[in-house]
Amino acid sequence: EPEVTQTPSHQVTQMGQEVILRCVPISNHLYFYWYRQILGQKVEFLVSFYNNEISEKSEIFDDQFSVERPDGSNFTLKIRSTKLEDSAMYFCASSARLAGGTDTQYFGPGTRLTVL
Amino acid sequence: KNQVEQSPQSLIILEGKNCTLQCNYTVSPFSNLRWYKQDTGRGPVSLTIMTFSENTKSNGRYTATLDADTKQSSLHITASQLSDSASYICVVSARGFKTIFGAGTRLFVKA
Repeated sequence: EPEVTQTPSHQVTQMGQEVILRCVPISNHLYFYWYRQILGQKVEFLVSFYNNEISEKSEIFDDQFSVERPDGSNFTLKIRSTKLEDSAMYFCASSARLAGGTDTQYFGPGTRLTVL
Repeated sequence: KNQVEQSPQSLIILEGKNCTLQCNYTVSPFSNLRWYKQDTGRGPVSLTIMTFSENTKSNGRYTATLDADTKQSSLHITASQLSDSASYICVVSARGFKTIFGAGTRLFVKA
């Protein structure tokens, strides 16, 4: 069964550094998402992406964050100048159609980001 | 304000028993409600998806119900297994892209 993959599985970085989290969505999917989950808290929506542009973003997704689909397969989340509070599990997801529809979102295994 | 509230926060049951998890929401305009299972340290896995017109959906031992009038949903797990130990998350989408996650119910199934 096709699946969403994410790399790395764990990223440790120093405060103030830039990190890029990578995702390979399911190949025929058109909608891509990033979520984060701070340890012990609920999953929070960050951003959705369709047709090479951001469709919606939450208030969490400020100028520190950016997303990109640099080629036909990868979907990346860049965090500039990381802060301690950026430490969390970051999940990528993809769906064939809009999340507001009934299509299943498939989540990747997550990247655990630790900011020291 | 769009919110999704789940109860109980955690639940311990014996293997083989049934249980029901609750979800109340205030998301508007409502599009669909999903239940996910999330194992510790893993990404959520979709169990059921229901739209406004559906009031029940089953997936094996999982049965979800939806009352769009009262804005409530439940997830019933039948004949629980040890592998059912996980967090169960209710997620409500408004029309468009907005998706609101509940905090989850942490289920522990004991032998």
